[in-house]
Amino acid sequence: ETGVTQSPTHLIKTRGQQVTLRCSSQSGHNTVSWYQQALGQGPQFIFQYYREEENGRGNFPPRFSGLQFPNYSSELNVNALELDDSALYLCASSLGSFDQETQYFGPGTRLLVL
Amino acid sequence: GENVEQHPSTLSVQEGDSAVIKCTYSDSASNYFPWYKQELGKRPQLIIDIRSNVGEKKDQRIAVTLNKTAKHFSLHITETQPEDSAVYFCAANVEIRNQFYFGTGTSLTVIP
Repeated sequence: ETGVTQSPTHLIKTRGQQVTLRCSSQSGHNTVSWYQQALGQGPQFIFQYYREEENGRGNFPPRFSGLQFPNYSSELNVNALELDDSALYLCASSLGSFDQETQYFGPGTRLLVL
Repeated sequence: GENVEQHPSTLSVQEGDSAVIKCTYSDSASNYFPWYKQELGKRPQLIIDIRSNVGEKKDQRIAVTLNKTAKHFSLHITETQPEDSAVYFCAANVEIRNQFYFGTGTSLTVIP
């Protein structure tokens, strides 16, 4: 198992609410990427943080936002939750944001929006 | 942006047979192609990866091949075992930045 951890493991919210998910990267890793994995689908890239700065973003609306802290842990915030936001949210850490760096995934947070 | 297609979506093989999963990508600048195995309810685990400067890489029963001209890469599992049953995802990175785009997954079932 990798050293990447996520909290909480499960979460139930209602439409319109806001949620914050947390990720602790593996020791020595300064880059965290966030992915959304809907049931039966592959992970979809949300955004990446490198040394506390956003370093690229996938095709997700602005209500998906994030932070990275000086210890390289990270948060994903989702505002105005919609039913389609129900998914497994995965974070992955890597040594850097340069190409060809292996990414190691956390166990995920399963979010259900009712 | 990068678009990764993966086939087949489901695959059943008899124990001991080989399994092949194929992916294509659209961005010729992609240069890193990892494969992940995801068991039910668990995180994706890296099983093998290949960089663009090689055409093939092997690790025991698992191998990956890359054809940059055709923009496709494949995962080969030989002598399959029931514990190989899982969903397998291919991915391609975006040039320079380490942002992965994943295929839609292949559900592999190895029948004892």
